[in-house]
Amino acid sequence: EAQVTQNPRYLITVTGKKLTVTCSQNMNHEYMSWYRQDPGLGLRQIYYSMNVEVTDKGDVPEGYKVSRKEKRNFPLILESPSPNQTSLYFCASSQGLAGSYEQYFGPGTRLTVT
Amino acid sequence: AQSVTQLGSHVSVSEGALVLLRCNYSSSVPPYLFWYVQYPNQGLQLLLKYTSAATLVKGINDFEAEFKKSETSFHLTKPSAHMSDAAEYFCAVSEGWGNEKLTFGTGTRLTIIP
Repeated sequence: EAQVTQNPRYLITVTGKKLTVTCSQNMNHEYMSWYRQDPGLGLRQIYYSMNVEVTDKGDVPEGYKVSRKEKRNFPLILESPSPNQTSLYFCASSQGLAGSYEQYFGPGTRLTVT
Repeated sequence: AQSVTQLGSHVSVSEGALVLLRCNYSSSVPPYLFWYVQYPNQGLQLLLKYTSAATLVKGINDFEAEFKKSETSFHLTKPSAHMSDAAEYFCAVSEGWGNEKLTFGTGTRLTIIP
């Protein structure tokens, strides 16, 4: 089954404790992206990657890091989480560089930073 | 820069009534437009997309949307609401080549009244 998986689905952590949210897709997609969803703000892009070893900032990259060492994986790293990073996070992937391609979303990771 | 405005953060309709969710966009180039649906505790699922072919786009579950360039609109409609349509709906725009970023609206929560 074609899918985007994220782990963990739920995470409660404390300020400053480094964490990684994993994202993996089994569709051989070149493009992957991370979004955060906050009430009243919709989804905002954090980082994206157009291929292995190619990443760039989205609209809200502060406090986040990413890496793309393999085509299928695109982890999101919070080196020193803060309460304002409490949010619902989605990973997405799509087939190629043209904006007409559908983006496939993972199930989401709900992060709470206390 | 691209942007999306969804009028009405909450919409309620009776079961069997017409569903109309409004979306207006701005884009410096001919856009690609999408409607996604999010059911509780799930990721986003594509309902339909406009990619410069037919201006009336049909999607899943009897939803459709019409691209109107003169009005910069891409409103979502369904002739007859079903209880299972209760969800949050997001309109999104992409400018295509390069970053595949989807710029999302803030979402509309649809409630179906029995």
